[in-house]
Amino acid sequence: GAVVSQHPSRVICKSGTSVKIECRSLDFQATTMFWYRQFPKQSLMLMATSNEGSKATYEQGVEKDKFLINHASLTLSTLTVTSAHPEDSSFYICSATDYSYNEQFFGPGTRLTVL
Amino acid sequence: SQKIEQNSEALNIQEGKTATLTCNYTNYSPAYLQWYRQDPGRGPVFLLLIRENEKEKRKERLKVTFDTTLKQSLFHITASQPADSATYLCASSYNNNDMRFGAGTRLTVKP
Repeated sequence: GAVVSQHPSRVICKSGTSVKIECRSLDFQATTMFWYRQFPKQSLMLMATSNEGSKATYEQGVEKDKFLINHASLTLSTLTVTSAHPEDSSFYICSATDYSYNEQFFGPGTRLTVL
Repeated sequence: SQKIEQNSEALNIQEGKTATLTCNYTNYSPAYLQWYRQDPGRGPVFLLLIRENEKEKRKERLKVTFDTTLKQSLFHITASQPADSATYLCASSYNNNDMRFGAGTRLTVKP
């Protein structure tokens, strides 16, 4: 099956710093990638959808200047949390797909802790 | 507003029994319903997809139903094992770019 990786798996940073999370599709070309956030015991909340080579589409309530998404190639998307604060601490999960699939393939997630 | 809900936050069953999880949607008609498994600290793993014109789909010990009249999907795990313990998420979509997730049901299978 299709494999998606994320890096890093865990990150701890100080308040005010920026953190970059990478999402890679390892064995297929992902025309679309998605970024989700998940708080403890809650479901996945879609943050943004990105198509290769174009600007990401953000969900209502998600600040595009705070959560910068770049999808520069068919196998890599990055999410940068700028000027992170403790309330940004969460589990961030990416997924990837292309038009030949009906399902999304999820990465293993990144646990962000902002001190 | 459009909602997708998993009624049970947690379900505990005995090993060997059949686990049945419920997913309900309101105020829309998804083209697909999907079920994912999520282990603690991990991303979801795709299990099954069922289309609106399909009533039932099976994969090994898993079975999913889609009832468009009741606006409900049921997810069954037969002959459950402790290794089946995880959170199970249902998701609805019109296409692959518009997926909504339920909050999940945490299944615990006791030996």
